[in-house]
Amino acid sequence: AQTVTQSQPEMSVQEAETVTLSCTYDTSESDYYLFWYKQPPSRQMILVIRQEAYKQQNATENRFSVNFQKAAKSFSLKISDSQLGDAAMYFCAYRRRYGGSQGNLIFGKGTKLSVKP
Amino acid sequence: NAGVTQTPKFQVLKTGQSMTLQCAQDMNHNSMYWYRQDPGMGLRLIYYSASEGTTDKGEVPNGYNVSRLNKREFSLRLESAAPSQTSVYFCASSGVGGYEKLFFGSGTQLSVL
Repeated sequence: AQTVTQSQPEMSVQEAETVTLSCTYDTSESDYYLFWYKQPPSRQMILVIRQEAYKQQNATENRFSVNFQKAAKSFSLKISDSQLGDAAMYFCAYRRRYGGSQGNLIFGKGTKLSVKP
Repeated sequence: NAGVTQTPKFQVLKTGQSMTLQCAQDMNHNSMYWYRQDPGMGLRLIYYSASEGTTDKGEVPNGYNVSRLNKREFSLRLESAAPSQTSVYFCASSGVGGYEKLFFGSGTQLSVL
C-alpha cells in the first residue's frame, strides 16, 4: 500500500524568506502523480502544485516549486518570498495513475506553516 | 462557477442519530469521493464512486453508507452516529478517467455528542 509521510508537523518562516516543506512517499508504482494542497483557516482545499512522475522537470507555480527526487521518493515544496497569506496547513498527496481506484488521493498528515511578519 | 457543493456546513448530532451529507458537482465529473479529516491524521478516504452507478470502500468505511444518486450527486449517510465520527467531511470530484486534479467542496464540520 502507498503511504505519504510529512515529517514536519509545524514550520515557521519569516515574511519574504524561503521555506521548504518535506514529503516522502512509498510506492511500488512507477507512474503516479504527486500534489501539494494548501488548507487555510477557511478549510478550503486549494491545489498548489502538481507533479507527474514521468516528468523529470520539477514543477513550478509562481513562488512555489518542488524538488522531485523519484529514486529517493522525495517531493519537497519550496515557497519563496513567503507572504502572510501563505500561512496554512500544507498536505502532500499521492495518486496512482493506473489500476483500480486510481483516482484516490493518499494524503500525508500535514505541515502547519506559520509566517512571521 | 459552483464547483462542488456540500450541505450542511455544520451539524451537531447526538449519539445514535442518523443524517445524510449531501454533495453535488456541476463539472460533469465521473468520479466522486468522500474524505474525513481529523487533527493530525490528514484526509482519509471513506468511499468513492468511479462512475455513476458504482461505489467502493476506501480506507475508513465502517459506520458509513453512500449513494451515487446520479452523475452529479454523491451522498454520505451515517446510520447511527458515534462520537468517533466527529470530524470534518469533504466531498471531492475529478474528471474523466480520474487523472485530473480533485476539486473539493468546502467541508462539513460534524460533531457527535
